[in-house]
Parts: sequence; structure tokens; C-alpha cells
Amino acid sequence: EVQLVESGGGLVQPGRSLRLSCAASGFTFDDYAMHWVRQAPGKGLEWVSGISWNSGSIGYADSVKGRFTISRDNAKNSLYLQMNSLRAEDTALYYCAKGVGATTGWGQGTLVTVSS
Amino acid sequence: EIVMTQSPATLSVSPGERATLSCRASQSVSSNLAWYQQKPGQAPRLLIYGASTRATGIPARFSGSGSGTEFTLTISSLQSEDFAVYYCQQYNNWPPTFTFGPGTKVDIK
Repeated sequence: EVQLVESGGGLVQPGRSLRLSCAASGFTFDDYAMHWVRQAPGKGLEWVSGISWNSGSIGYADSVKGRFTISRDNAKNSLYLQMNSLRAEDTALYYCAKGVGATTGWGQGTLVTVSS
Repeated sequence: EIVMTQSPATLSVSPGERATLSCRASQSVSSNLAWYQQKPGQAPRLLIYGASTRATGIPARFSGSGSGTEFTLTISSLQSEDFAVYYCQQYNNWPPTFTFGPGTKVDIK
């Protein structure tokens, strides 16, 4: 069974940093591209960033480009999102998801709240 | 960036009726289009990928069609468990710059 467990969320002040992690199990992690998708409270889904199986191809939404960095450690079956210069509008539930294109597995999310 | 739009924003349907949801891309995404269902407090669930292929375990009452810029999700006979928000997503390119539509809420009429 595919399991994706996000962690690292919390309350952080504007301008500060946070690092999210996603622990994967139940599938061959290094066979799959991975993504971060977020959902602000009461709002829709927003794709944030994606990374290919070997980290050779990476993309970001315009809203986070230059501030967020996605990475993965295939030896640890883990995905990461380094978030710098956080803004109030980054407040959201952050999901980790697997899939080259369509995302076939999702975690339950970790909540990031950016507020002073 | 490819912009996705969905219509209607809300669709009120009676159980047993057919629901038709639309999704439009600002430029061609070929058939690189997925549909997701999300219920309150839950993560999204993949329904359709490749514009028309049902994901594993998805009932046959869900069907997808379209290519290029115009796509449709049809639920042939709505069941109580189908009342939810539905999102389309394009995944046309790598490095990825995927985008979701704003969603269509299907509620009980």
C-alpha cells in the first residue's frame, strides 16, 4: 500500500524558513516523479513543485520560484521542500504526491501557517 | 503558464441524475489531463488520467473525454458518495509546470 507521510509544518513568521519532509513507503520510490501540492484554507489545489525520479528535472510554480527548493533522497525514500522567505499567502496544507503526470498517490498533508 | 478554467463553479444534481463537468486549457495540453475528486477533510483522489482512462478502482460511471483544450468529466448516475469537489489538472510538460483548475463543486439538488 502506498504511504506518503508529510511532516515539518507549523506556525512560522513572515520572512522565515521551513523545511517540509515526506516519507514514502509501499512503492519503489526512485521509480517515480514526486510533487508538492498545496491547498489554502477553503481554497482549491495549487501545484507547487515537481521533481523527476533522478532529480534531473525540476519545476516550480511562478508563485514560489526563487523561494522554494524541492529535493529528494532516494536512499532514504524521502522528498523535501525547503521554503524560504515565507509569506502569509503561503499558508496552506501541503501535500506530497507521486506520479509522472497525474498523481496516483497522496499524503494527508502538513499544515503551514505563516503569521506574525 | 497554462491556465485551467472549469465550469460551472457549482453543479446541483439529484441522485441518479447525470452530471457533466467542463474543463478548458488556455493552450493545448494534448491528452495530458487528469481529473480528481476531493471530499471535505480528505486528500484528492485520482479519477481519470490521459483525459479518458479511469484510474484503478474507479467506477465505470465516471468517464472523461476531450483533447487539446476542451475536456469533460461525466458522472452517468450520481451516487451519494459522488457529492464532492472535482478538479482538472494539466501535466503537459517537463520540467513540470502543472496547473489545476479552480474546481467544480457537485452538491445535492
